[in-house]
Amino acid sequence: DAKTTQPTSMDCAEGRAANLPCNHSTISGNEYVYWYRQIHSQGPQYIIHGLKNNETNEMASLIITEDRKSSTLILPHATLRDTAVYYCIVRQGGSEKLVFGKGTKLTVNP
Amino acid sequence: DADVTQTPRNRITKTGKRIMLECSQTKGHDRMYWYRQDPGLGLRLIYYSFDVKDINKGEISDGYSVSRQAQAKFSLSLESAIPNQTALYFCATSDPQGAETQYFGPGTRLLVL
Repeated sequence: DAKTTQPTSMDCAEGRAANLPCNHSTISGNEYVYWYRQIHSQGPQYIIHGLKNNETNEMASLIITEDRKSSTLILPHATLRDTAVYYCIVRQGGSEKLVFGKGTKLTVNP
Repeated sequence: DADVTQTPRNRITKTGKRIMLECSQTKGHDRMYWYRQDPGLGLRLIYYSFDVKDINKGEISDGYSVSRQAQAKFSLSLESAIPNQTALYFCATSDPQGAETQYFGPGTRLLVL
């Protein structure tokens, strides 16, 4: 599975959009981009995934560049409860495991 | 009710004891996984099972064993617990269709003295 690079930490003001970047320059054509988050010692929570097209659900939007070498997770109106570590993972469908790197620690400030 | 449950949520045991962590799911998924997480690190895969008759080792299976009793249940055993098995343990499930998103349980915090 391709390697991902994320900033170690980010801050965001409550109510503003949080834009979390991820680089995955070695991604191959059949690999999906997944985003998970982990709120202090809780089980990782699935947020969203995509292959080529931009995706949106009730939690977030995922913007994938045309060359698929990077993506951005957007939380449109961050709240204090969005403070968590966010993981960007690139993985083939059907692969047996998710490889969690160190992720981005997002802190939403009042 | 949660789709993936783990019991116990917290456990303290002594070196050399055998313990079992249990995972149950109501999502109807065929695939189940056990991960461990150490402080400040990502999750590492211990074992996984693609159906009731299938068991596969992950990257750190030494010192652990598993049992897939039914589609909905996947247990992790520590045959003889040691202090460096102190960690957070997570169970996950997935459906082999499409992008196969994994869904995680709330975790079991294990302390081996």
